[in-house]
Parts: sequence; C-alpha cells; structure tokens
Amino acid sequence: SQTIHQWPATLVQPVGSPLSLECTVEGTSNPNLYWYRQAAGRGLQLLFYSVGIGQISSEVPQNLSASRPQDRQFILSSKKLLLSDSGFYLCACRPPSRGLRETQYFGPGTRLLVL
Amino acid sequence: AQTVTQSQPEMSVQEAETVTLSCTYDTSESDYYLFWYKQPPSRQMILVIRQEAYKQQNATENRFSVNFQKAAKSFSLKISDSQLGDAAMYFCAYAGNTGKLIFGQGTTLQVKP
Repeated sequence: SQTIHQWPATLVQPVGSPLSLECTVEGTSNPNLYWYRQAAGRGLQLLFYSVGIGQISSEVPQNLSASRPQDRQFILSSKKLLLSDSGFYLCACRPPSRGLRETQYFGPGTRLLVL
Repeated sequence: AQTVTQSQPEMSVQEAETVTLSCTYDTSESDYYLFWYKQPPSRQMILVIRQEAYKQQNATENRFSVNFQKAAKSFSLKISDSQLGDAAMYFCAYAGNTGKLIFGQGTTLQVKP
C-alpha cells in the first residue's frame, strides 16, 4: 500500500515570502496526485491535480502553482505569499491501477500560517 | 456540477450509543463512488467507508455502516457502539467521472463519556 509524506509539517511565513511544500509517495508508481487546501473548520478545496510527470491541472485561479518533477513527487509553490494563503494543505494519491472514482489516500498535511 | 451537502455542522453522542450523520448530494451521473472520511484532531484524512453507486447493498466496515438511497441521493453514516476515539470531523465526499473528490462541509462529532 502507498505511503504519503508531506514536508514540512508546520510552516510560519511572512507575507510576500516564497513557499515550497513537498509531497512524496512511496509504494506505488505513476499515481494521480492532488493538492487540497482546507481553511479552518471548512471542507477541502481541490487546488491542483497531476496525472503524470510535468502534467498539472489547476482547479482554482490563485497565487499558487504546482509542479511534478518526478513520478512520486508533487510540489506546491508560491513566489509571494498572501495572508489568504494560510490554511492546511493536504496531498492525496490515487493509485493508477484503479479507476477514476477510486479512493484517494491522504498525507498528514502541512499547516501554513502567513503573518 | 456535482455538490455535496452535510446539513449537520455538529453532532454529539453518548459513548456506546449509535449516531447517524447525514449527507446528500446532487449529480446527473449514474456511476460514481461515495466516501466518508474521518479527520481527527491531527487533521489527517482517514477513509472510513466507501460505497459504489452501482451496488445496491449498503457498505459496512465493523461499527460503521451506510444507508445509501440512490434515488433520494442520500448517503448517511451510522456509527454503532460509539467510542471516544470516534470523536472527529467527518466528511462526505463524491467521486464521479472526472475522478475529482467533491467534499461536503463536514460534521463535527463529539462523543461524551
């Protein structure tokens, strides 16, 4: 079964600073990968998803970008953070051998606070 | 577009008793999956149970079961013999032809000893 790692676990950044959050996956190859954001006490919003290396789809226009430089690595970035970027960021994985509707598995998440 | 609605922001249950969390959804698709995820204070999302829409039989996982009413577009979660460790936020989610998960707003479950 797959294991999803996210780094860092917690991050406090000043407004205007850059951001890089990393997600790595073990135990599966060529997974579909997803970035979600969760505001406090709210549901999850899909930000980006990727079906393969270099293939990124954006769901919501925003201050963030994503990249997939390796098969099992998914990175969320920003050049200049905004206060509204604060939240809890979750990476998810869906193994490729299963259908589109199959279960997504989540990493432990990163808490981002922009001050 | 598909939507998922959880109308109960908060619920509470006495330890060892049964509680039901509600979820409704809207879709024009006929083939889809539905999920319940649990988010404890650690905030990691944990899969509780899933239901394939083409299956008439309700899914069951130990103390967790669902009541799937396809015509009514309803997907409730029943937790039997509630335990203190069940306290968490519960999210209902939908996955259709796009493969993207659409989440409800969540229900916070409190378990009283």
